[in-house]
Amino acid sequence: EADIYQTPRYLVIGTGKKITLECSQTMGHDKMYWYQQDPGMELHLIHYSYGVNSTEKGDLSSESTVSRIRTEHFPLTLESARPSHTSQYLCASSDFAYGYTFGSGTRLTVV
Amino acid sequence: GNSVTQMEGPVTLSEEAFLTINCTYTATGYPSLFWYVQYPGEGLQLLLKATKADDKGSNKGFEATYRKETTSFHLEKGSVQVSDSAVYFCALSTLRIQGAQKLVFGQGTRLTINP
Repeated sequence: EADIYQTPRYLVIGTGKKITLECSQTMGHDKMYWYQQDPGMELHLIHYSYGVNSTEKGDLSSESTVSRIRTEHFPLTLESARPSHTSQYLCASSDFAYGYTFGSGTRLTVV
Repeated sequence: GNSVTQMEGPVTLSEEAFLTINCTYTATGYPSLFWYVQYPGEGLQLLLKATKADDKGSNKGFEATYRKETTSFHLEKGSVQVSDSAVYFCALSTLRIQGAQKLVFGQGTRLTINP
């Protein structure tokens, strides 16, 4: 049973459209993360947050933006989608026990 | 910097075979080590973890021992099943930086078990 929810699971969208990928967790975790997973499986951290009103860019540069207005919610937005944004996006949260809980992911295809 | 290197895949085994997936790391300080598993179409699930040297993590028949002297955290299972087919990621957790614990992942190893 997932405690972190990502919607949609799959999204096919045209170039130039604005999209928001949703991520919500019910565990009260302060730390949340977005990873981009390329077809070769490798995971790249693109955004993270320490808590409400805090966001930081990750190790991989991304044209996406994030916000953290509520503890449980960490949406990712692409203002103008391009084919190069086609990927799987994974959201995660963590607690002090060093454990990460991942959502099921959103597979984005930009055509 | 911190990094994780995993055995390259894909790995294909027959059911009931012995599994080893190698993982070595480079890190400053004393990281915690993890194995995550990703089943087809899903996100990552924590399989096991170890937080200090010589700790052994275990779950669902999988084991890994935190070896500081060899900077390794190899994943093993004595008898694999078809249901173990998945992608396995080794990861380390850096010390908290400004409150955020960042996981560094290996490149993943795809495992296929044939009946």
